[in-house]
Amino acid sequence: AQKVTQAQTEISVVEKEDVTLDCVYETRDTTYYLFWYKQPPSGELVFLIRRNSFDEQNEISGRYSWNFQKSTSSFNFTITASQVVDSAVYFCALSEAGNAGGTSYGKLTFGQGTILTVHP
Amino acid sequence: NAGVTQTPKFQVLKTGQSMTLQCAQDMNHNSMYWYRQDPGMGLRLIYYSASEGTTDKGEVPNGYNVSRLNKREFSLRLESAAPSQTSVYFCASRRDRVWTGELFFGEGSRLTVL
Repeated sequence: AQKVTQAQTEISVVEKEDVTLDCVYETRDTTYYLFWYKQPPSGELVFLIRRNSFDEQNEISGRYSWNFQKSTSSFNFTITASQVVDSAVYFCALSEAGNAGGTSYGKLTFGQGTILTVHP
Repeated sequence: NAGVTQTPKFQVLKTGQSMTLQCAQDMNHNSMYWYRQDPGMGLRLIYYSASEGTTDKGEVPNGYNVSRLNKREFSLRLESAAPSQTSVYFCASRRDRVWTGELFFGEGSRLTVL
């Protein structure tokens, strides 16, 4: 069974601070994908990044960066110089390796989410 | 671009009433999913459909039924609503049948069961 744990329920920072959101996952698959989604106060879910299990390179996109470490089963997300608009719930998710002949078709397992509040 | 469209956006039901949540996507995706979101529990998969004509149970299927009407549409039905089904429901779609792509979500449907 797959599991995603986001141990930080809520984080509060002041604008311009850096903040790291932790994500730890469990899976028996050797091939899998990891995702981060953002849910702003308006409620929709916004895709941020996808990372496959074969690629452990860190990724940076503007103020966002992701650190994937298979050795610790972690996929952490850092926001540099946070802004009020970053206030949202952030979800980490894991997709199992589906196979057309079986019953698993790439279902996504989500963590509990981390509520990030950035104060001005 | 519409993407994934869910209706209704809000609904209040009394215990025992039935209703259907509608979902349609215009991206020609194969896979579609229904999730529910509850405070502190993230999103949990209710049912999914890997392709037209197939549906499978997810993590929390009890009390729900689904229909994959065609490639575009995937509906979720509550036959006899219970207060425990008060939640925000999200429909999502994915291009592939397997694990390569991200999910595209609808805006959510907030359901309250009294």
